[in-house]
Amino acid sequence: QSALTQPASVSGSPGQSITISCTGTSSDVGGYNYVSWYQQHPGKAPKLMIYDVSNRPSGVSNRFSGSKSGNTASLTISGLQAEDEADYYCSSYTSSSTRYVFGTGTKVSVL
Amino acid sequence: QVTLKESGPALVKPTQTLTLTCTFSGFSLSTNGMRVSWIRQPPGKALEWLARIDWDDDKFYSTSLKTRLTISKDTSKNQVVLTMTNMDPADTATFYCARTAAGTRFDYWGQGTLVTVSS
Repeated sequence: QSALTQPASVSGSPGQSITISCTGTSSDVGGYNYVSWYQQHPGKAPKLMIYDVSNRPSGVSNRFSGSKSGNTASLTISGLQAEDEADYYCSSYTSSSTRYVFGTGTKVSVL
Repeated sequence: QVTLKESGPALVKPTQTLTLTCTFSGFSLSTNGMRVSWIRQPPGKALEWLARIDWDDDKFYSTSLKTRLTISKDTSKNQVVLTMTNMDPADTATFYCARTAAGTRFDYWGQGTLVTVSS
């Protein structure tokens, strides 16, 4: 099971919107609406930001939104803030016996 | 309030077996639908899912590591244990346990425990 493909880095200025892509296959991202996104600050555990493609857990800012088209999922952060600077990982349920696959990770920088 | 915490050795030697314990609170693994996974992250690298155990004792493993992993639970102690055999320096990583909600996402994570494999 190969990792999902994400851009290594994305940057934006405060207040701008950025989008992170997550590309998989029909066996994972394209086959299920079970894509989730995680934010990880340095030295900290990941935090669930989006689940089931576009749902936000309670307490997560509505500046974070998710979508999917075919084998590619996307996370959009609008109104970028300094606190959004972190690593972001996507994950998908898969049809393989390895039930879950993560993305390669994207470092978000706020300029 | 859901919390999870990993515990185990910080240092293991090559070829040794690693045993990690996840102690959790705020939910019970005897409740229908509850699941706990182990996930690791080598320094500076991406997350990798390792294994999952369910309320009904179903177990699932990463295909690439299946022969080296065993996951088990002690419901009375609210603990999940992961063993990984034949440890190698390439296995150096922070290991996390995480509740796996609805089998689709990891909604609560432990703080992680760094395990270094070195002689």
